[in-house]
Amino acid sequence: EVQLVQSGAEVKKPGESLKISCKGSGYSFTSYWIGWVRQMPGKGLEWMGIIYPGDSDTRYSPSFQGQVTISADKSISTAYLQWSRLKASDTAMYYCARLGATVVTPWDYWGQGTLVTVSS
Amino acid sequence: DIQMTQSPSTLSASVGDRVTITCRASQSISNWLAWYQQKPGKAPKLLIYDASSLESGVPSRFSGSGSGTEFTLTISSLQPDDFATYYCQQSNSYPTFGQGTKVEIK
Repeated sequence: EVQLVQSGAEVKKPGESLKISCKGSGYSFTSYWIGWVRQMPGKGLEWMGIIYPGDSDTRYSPSFQGQVTISADKSISTAYLQWSRLKASDTAMYYCARLGATVVTPWDYWGQGTLVTVSS
Repeated sequence: DIQMTQSPSTLSASVGDRVTITCRASQSISNWLAWYQQKPGKAPKLLIYDASSLESGVPSRFSGSGSGTEFTLTISSLQPDDFATYYCQQSNSYPTFGQGTKVEIK
């Protein structure tokens, strides 16, 4: 069974760093792209970036380039989303999802989401 | 980025109604279009991919059509479990989502 399991909710202060994770199982982790999506409270889905764990090829949405870093550790089938300096506006639910073998494929399996709250 | 525009933003309907949601792309995306359903507090769920292919396990009352720049998601007979928000997503270039359509009870 394909599963993506995300790390738990986080409460952070502005200026702090954060790294959240997404662990894949039940499939060949290195053969499928992983994507990250932000959903701010009461708002829609925003694509942040995608990574191919097989070779760490990473693409960012222009809206998030330079704001976050996406990485993967294929030895433990885990993808990451990290911030070096959080802002209150980063408060949101973050989802990871599996794409197919190419970037034009749909996002077929999703993690349960990680809620990030940034507040002083 | 390719912009995706959904209409309407909100749709009020009754159980048994036929419901249609439209998604327009700012440029041609061939058939690289997917539809997702999201319920409150839950992750999105893939319904339709390649504009008209039904994801495994999704009820046949859901269907998709279109190509190029205009696409539709149709629910042939709305069921209580279908009240949710629906998003389109293009993957012709870097993936972008529509702003969502909330289907609510009339």
